[in-house]
Amino acid sequence: QQQVKQSPQSLIVQKGGISIINCAYENTAFDYFPWYQQFPGKGPALLIAIRPDVSEKKEGRFTISFNKSAKQFSLHIMDSQPGDSATYFCAASIGYGNKLVFGAGTILRVKS
Amino acid sequence: NAGVTQTPKFQVLKTGQSMTLQCAQDMNHEYMSWYRQDPGMGLRLIHYSVGAGITDQGEVPNGYNVSRSTTEDFPLRLLSAAPSQTSVYFCASSYSSQGTEAFFGQGTRLTVV
Repeated sequence: QQQVKQSPQSLIVQKGGISIINCAYENTAFDYFPWYQQFPGKGPALLIAIRPDVSEKKEGRFTISFNKSAKQFSLHIMDSQPGDSATYFCAASIGYGNKLVFGAGTILRVKS
Repeated sequence: NAGVTQTPKFQVLKTGQSMTLQCAQDMNHEYMSWYRQDPGMGLRLIHYSVGAGITDQGEVPNGYNVSRSTTEDFPLRLLSAAPSQTSVYFCASSYSSQGTEAFFGQGTRLTVV
């Protein structure tokens, strides 16, 4: 069973638009929720992460919104750029920071 | 400072062959892990280690062995390769504390024919 469900599978956004990717989780013991960005032929790289004691975290154009009661979190990319075109993964973990459960991924394409 | 280094980058195996995927990190991280990435399924945890001499199974451990004799190295062994093990394999490492960044290697693309 997939513990972290991610949507949409793919997303096309115009340059300057807002990209929104959603994730839902089942295990209430998860206490660390990172987003990873992956370019073709590369390994995933941490983009931004949040803990459940806050509802929102912003770093530059990237924002995580977290809804603990709904067990959902989302990534918002403001002013999307062609360089943001990549695959994005949400993830969750309990305890050790390296034992991650990943969503299926979203392929983002930003059209210029 | 090379980070997490995986070798080889590409490998083709015949069914039934064995091989070892190498992973080394130079950041003195305690935690290391192996994931496989398949289309539409994200990354799934195969095995992980919380320190030298300590390993444990992840979500999809069957057909794989690991050992951790040093802090730096965490090799993944395929005992008898099967076509279902065709995948991209990623090694990751992180500091010991909870909720810290996992650094990933560049991956090994394995094809089993």
